[in-house]
Amino acid sequence: GQQVMQIPQYQHVQEGEDFTTYCNSSTTLSNIQWYKQRPGGHPVFLIQLVKSGEVKKQKRLTFQFGEAKKNSSLHITATQTTDVGTYFCAGQVDGTASKLTFGTGTRLQVTL
Amino acid sequence: SAVISQKPSRDICQRGTSLTIQCQVDSQVTMMFWYRQQPGQSLTLIATANQGSEATYESGFVIDKFPISRPNLTFSTLTVSNMSPEDSSIYLCSVGPFSYEQYFGPGTRLTVT
Repeated sequence: GQQVMQIPQYQHVQEGEDFTTYCNSSTTLSNIQWYKQRPGGHPVFLIQLVKSGEVKKQKRLTFQFGEAKKNSSLHITATQTTDVGTYFCAGQVDGTASKLTFGTGTRLQVTL
Repeated sequence: SAVISQKPSRDICQRGTSLTIQCQVDSQVTMMFWYRQQPGQSLTLIATANQGSEATYESGFVIDKFPISRPNLTFSTLTVSNMSPEDSSIYLCSVGPFSYEQYFGPGTRLTVT
């Protein structure tokens, strides 16, 4: 079945440092979504990427979708303690009626 | 967006018993999803629940173990049957009102002893 892997599993940064998580799917995706889950919370939708090579920005967050639509990345510039949480990518495949396959997740810890 | 509530928020149950988790949405939605998330792990889709039809289960999940009801467009239940300690997990419902992004409920933390 479809698998979506993320690296790294965990990263600890000092506040102000940059952070990147990478997402790789075993199959071509129709779109990829990113979610953030704070400790003790539930996943919250951040963004969706649909087009090959698409890049979107949300303030300090930059999201990319690979040319082959099998990989994606999330880059955070100048991390803040509010960025703490686990970041999941989630892929959809054509014809699967909104079903999402979640990546393995990257847990981000930010300290002062 | 959609606001989702789940009941109970947490429970401790004995093995061999069953627990029914409720999911209520503040607006009508076509598709509702049920996920399981073990501590520190990713989310695994259990099934998709559409109103008026039987739920569609993912590989590794069966209706006898996880029966789902979807009586209307704002409500669904998931039952975890004949529980064992391996069922200890967080169970989340989600909805996809706009056909791509999903909104999640706060989750039900289940511990089976």
